[in-house]
Order: sequence, then C-alpha cells, then structure tokens
Amino acid sequence: DAGVTQSPTHLIKTRGQQVTLRCSPKSGHDTVSWYQQALGQGPQFIFQYYEEEERQRGNFPDRFSGHQFPNYSSELNVNALLLGDSALYLCASLELAGGFHEQFFGPGTRLTVL
Amino acid sequence: QQQVKQSPQSLIVQKGGISIINCAYENTAFDYFPWYQQFPGKGPALLIAIRPDVSEKKEGRFTISFNKSAKQFSLHIMDSQPGDSATYFCAARPPGNQFYFGTGTSLTVIP
Repeated sequence: DAGVTQSPTHLIKTRGQQVTLRCSPKSGHDTVSWYQQALGQGPQFIFQYYEEEERQRGNFPDRFSGHQFPNYSSELNVNALLLGDSALYLCASLELAGGFHEQFFGPGTRLTVL
Repeated sequence: QQQVKQSPQSLIVQKGGISIINCAYENTAFDYFPWYQQFPGKGPALLIAIRPDVSEKKEGRFTISFNKSAKQFSLHIMDSQPGDSATYFCAARPPGNQFYFGTGTSLTVIP
C-alpha cells in the first residue's frame, strides 16, 4: 500500500499565478482533507471532500478551491497567489476506526511564492 | 484564534529522560484528541489518541494524560531516545471531522 501520495514535491510560483496540487488517498479511503502548514506552525484545515463534494471548509478565502474525482483522488487549486500562500500543503485521507475518522497524511507539497 | 494551545515551543531532553508536552483547549464539543509526530520533510503521523471519557492511555513509551475538567491533555514520552527527536503536534476535533492543531513542539533528545 503506497499510502497517501502528493505531487509535486516542490513548486515555485510568482505572485498572481495559479497553482494545482494533487493528492491520491490511501487505498480504500474515500475522504480527503487539505491542510496548509506555514513554517513553524501547525496544519490549518482548508477543506474536506467526500463523494466529490466539499463537505467542510475552514477559514480560507475563495481563492482556494478543490475537486475530488470518482477514484477519490483530489486537487487543490489556489488562484491569484500571494506571498503569504508559501507553505507546506498537506493532504490527508481518513479511515474510520473505533467510531472516529483517523487521518493519514501525505508528505506534502512545498509551495514557494516569489 | 488558536483553538488548541500547545507548550512548550521547544524541548531538550537527555536520552532516557521523560519528555512532557502540554495542550489546552476551550471548546467542550471536542471529542477526539490525537497526537502527531512529524519529521523534517514528512507529513504528520498519528502517534496516539484519546477520547474524553478516558483519563489516560498508554501505548509503549507514549502516554496521553487527559484532564476533562481542566480542559488539558498532555503527551509523556518515557525513556526518550534520539530517534524521538521530531516535532509533535496535539490536535482536537469536534464532531464533523475538522481537526484543530496546536502550534507544535520541537523535541530534541540528546545522547
């Protein structure tokens, strides 16, 4: 089992550009969450996808959007990039265990905005 | 507004010692409290988790202590090893699957 995979590993963009990050969940997982982790901070919840629909959203502007495909993989899109968008973007897939959804994180995509 | 407050920011412990990291929360709706371990260049990995109906949970050298009335929980790492050197995050989740993370503790275990 490959676990949660993300691509690309690193990405450099300039202000105003748009970016798409990709995530493949762990085999059998149908729910994907995206997080932004700024340097030296904990992950901040962006949104969660289930059955190709955005189910929950954190406190992020509409510049952040996503998509989930029928095979449960997911994309995170960020438009009009700002310097402050530089961060590690983490994808997590969820597994129901003991009545709770446990998260399994991918290695992340390091986005640098210049 | 930080939903989960974590301390200390950094911690240095001798090999064989006990590492203690503390977290506090305000939202009484939180019903699941996991701890994650993150190594450089990797995503966080679930270490141990607890529900509020239990005051302590132990898995190997890792123990969570939970104080519901004080709205605090802590991670204890017994017999700390250099391989435990990593950043540790506490988290909390209300019903609905959105996780709130603490700001992290950088642990260094010196031989």
